[in-house]
Amino acid sequence: GAGVSQSPRYKVAKRGQDVALRCDPISGHVSLFWYQQALGQGPEFLTYFQNEAQLDKSGLPSDRFFAERPEGSVSTLKIQRTQQEDSAVYLCASSFRGGGSTDTQYFGPGTRLTVL
Amino acid sequence: AQTVTQSQPEMSVQEAETVTLSCTYDTSENNYYLFWYKQPPSRQMILVIRQEAYKQQNATENRFSVNFQKAAKSFSLKISDSQLGDTAMYFCAFRGSISNFGNEKLTFGTGTRLTIIP
Repeated sequence: GAGVSQSPRYKVAKRGQDVALRCDPISGHVSLFWYQQALGQGPEFLTYFQNEAQLDKSGLPSDRFFAERPEGSVSTLKIQRTQQEDSAVYLCASSFRGGGSTDTQYFGPGTRLTVL
Repeated sequence: AQTVTQSQPEMSVQEAETVTLSCTYDTSENNYYLFWYKQPPSRQMILVIRQEAYKQQNATENRFSVNFQKAAKSFSLKISDSQLGDTAMYFCAFRGSISNFGNEKLTFGTGTRLTIIP
C-alpha cells in the first residue's frame, strides 16, 4: 500500500521567499507530525495534528512557520520569509490512531529545503 | 524535558558480525516507550524495534534485539549477523507516557552512522 508521501523532494529558495511543503499521510491515519532534521542531527518535533486539529505546535521555531491540515488528511507546512537557518530536511510522519495510542509513526521521504 | 543521547557518531563492522549501538536517555516519567529507527541514505525513516518501559522482557525482531536497562536509563540495539543492507543512520527515540498531553511526539538522539563492510 502507499506510504507517506511528501512533495517536493527538493526545494531551493532564495532568502526571503515563502515556501510550502506538502505531506500526504497514509490513508485513514488520524495523527500527523512534522519534524525538522538539520544536517547531521536527529529529527526535531515541529507540530502535531489529530485529524484537522493542531494539538501541539510547541516545536515551531518562529511565527514564520505555519502548518495546516484543513480536511484532516493532507497537510502543508509553510515557511514565510525563509532564512538560511531554515535549511534542513522536513519530515512528515503519520500514525493510525489519535492521542493516547502508541501506534507506530510512519515517515515520509522528506523534503530537503535549501535556502540560499 | 526528555533527552536522548547517542554517544557513538559512527561505527563500522564486518559483514556477518554483531554490533551494538548505545543509547541513553533522561526522563522523570515511569511509563514511556523507546524506539530504534533506521534511516538509509534514501532518507525514509523505518522503525526497527520498540520497547515499552513497563515490560521487563527485552524486545527482539529477527536479527535485532535490545538491552533495556530501566534503572540505568540505557537502551542499546544489538544487530546480529549484520548485512550490507543494515548500512544506515540509526536513531534512538523516546516517547513519554501516553497519559500526558504533549507526549505524542518522538524525541530523537543525534544518531549513529553504521557501515557494514563487505
